[in-house]
Amino acid sequence: KAGVTQTPRYLIKTRGQQVTLSCSPISGHRSVSWYQQTPGQGLQFLFEYFSETQRNKGNFPGRFSGRQFSNSRSEMNVSTLELGDSALYLCASSFTLGRSANTEAFFGQGTRLTVV
Amino acid sequence: KNEVEQSPQNLTAQEGEFITINCSYSVGISALHWLQQHPGGGIVSLFMLSSGKKKHGRLIATINIQEKHSSLHITASHPRDSAVYICAVRSGRNSGGSNYKLTFGKGTLLTVNP
Repeated sequence: KAGVTQTPRYLIKTRGQQVTLSCSPISGHRSVSWYQQTPGQGLQFLFEYFSETQRNKGNFPGRFSGRQFSNSRSEMNVSTLELGDSALYLCASSFTLGRSANTEAFFGQGTRLTVV
Repeated sequence: KNEVEQSPQNLTAQEGEFITINCSYSVGISALHWLQQHPGGGIVSLFMLSSGKKKHGRLIATINIQEKHSSLHITASHPRDSAVYICAVRSGRNSGGSNYKLTFGKGTLLTVNP
């Protein structure tokens, strides 16, 4: 069974540009969540999508957005990049069934974004 | 004060030693995760707990919901256990099938020397 796939693995962008990152969840998983990891702030929740709908959003500016497609693949977009957006961006997928809390999260390898 | 506190921040051990990493949280949770991150970034989920204790190989995780505390133990530690161990809590109630917002601790850097 293939794991969570994130593309690209590495990315260098210039300030002011925009970037789109992709996450393909494990087959059958409908929940995809995104996280930002920086040396200063650690891991922080960005947003979560389930069945093409954003269910939760973290405390990030509107420059950070995302979407999920009907095949559960998700993309996140950062517009008007700033130096502080340099980070490792991780996504995780999970299979949810009803209201069960016993759903494991499986993480991708991440996309390392460097803004210069 | 962070919602999730881990201790210690750094831990150095000799191969074979018994390791304990602690995690305390201040919010109501539906589950707690222990994650492992090796250099290079990839995160592996070790355990997800909502009560009691789980064991997988040399790893044991416990949680005390009343005290809002969890511990990760590594028995007979090995240099390949060297990594950052992260505690994360899942807060909120499931609604409409999903609620996967995780709040993370700062992590514990474990180094196991041969």
